[in-house]
Amino acid sequence: GNSVTQMEGPVTLSEEAFLTINCTYTATGYPSLFWYVQYPGEGLQLLLKATKADDKGSNKGFEATYRKETTSFHLEKGSVQVSDSAVYFCALTPHANQAGTALIFGKGTTLSVSS
Amino acid sequence: GAGVSQSPSNKVTEKGKDVELRCDPISGHTALYWYRQSLGQGLEFLIYFQGNSAPDKSGLPSDRFSAERTGGSVSTLTIQRTQQEDSAVYLCASSFEGGTGLYEQYFGPGTRLTVT
Repeated sequence: GNSVTQMEGPVTLSEEAFLTINCTYTATGYPSLFWYVQYPGEGLQLLLKATKADDKGSNKGFEATYRKETTSFHLEKGSVQVSDSAVYFCALTPHANQAGTALIFGKGTTLSVSS
Repeated sequence: GAGVSQSPSNKVTEKGKDVELRCDPISGHTALYWYRQSLGQGLEFLIYFQGNSAPDKSGLPSDRFSAERTGGSVSTLTIQRTQQEDSAVYLCASSFEGGTGLYEQYFGPGTRLTVT
């Protein structure tokens, strides 16, 4: 079956530190991969995505590369800010080019950045 | 334009009561999804609508859960005879084909349900 595993938090960093949140997946076929972010009191927002192997998704200084050989999609940011404090979810969908394909989420990683 | 909206934002109910949760998707989005976010289980898919029909109900946890969508727009998730394990945040999402062949899902803020 399809599943996503991401590192458990919380992750606590100082401002300007380097961030990595690990995510690995199990899937049949060629899934599309996503990182969603949930800021305190808000809904889930799509942060970045990648639809095929070696694609790099990027947004707001965050990056993740679709690695088929290691079935990974690790999230990175070179210099975190206090405003990046949130819960980050790695997700996949087996058929992102079809309406109605549910997202399969990891359990989420809480990031806390202090100044 | 407006995003996905959900109401109520918070709902406290007594065990055994029925509750209705509402989702108003982004205008023009034909696909609508319900998910549940709970501490123990993380984010789980519940049901998907395409227009007014629900081709995938595979995630509904029991027959106490049902959902409908009318007019290809607003959807209501109903939980009958609520139990404490139903306490969770219920999230709604809608999607469209974003011009890249990829159906992107946009989420609402959720309804936090607490069953006492």
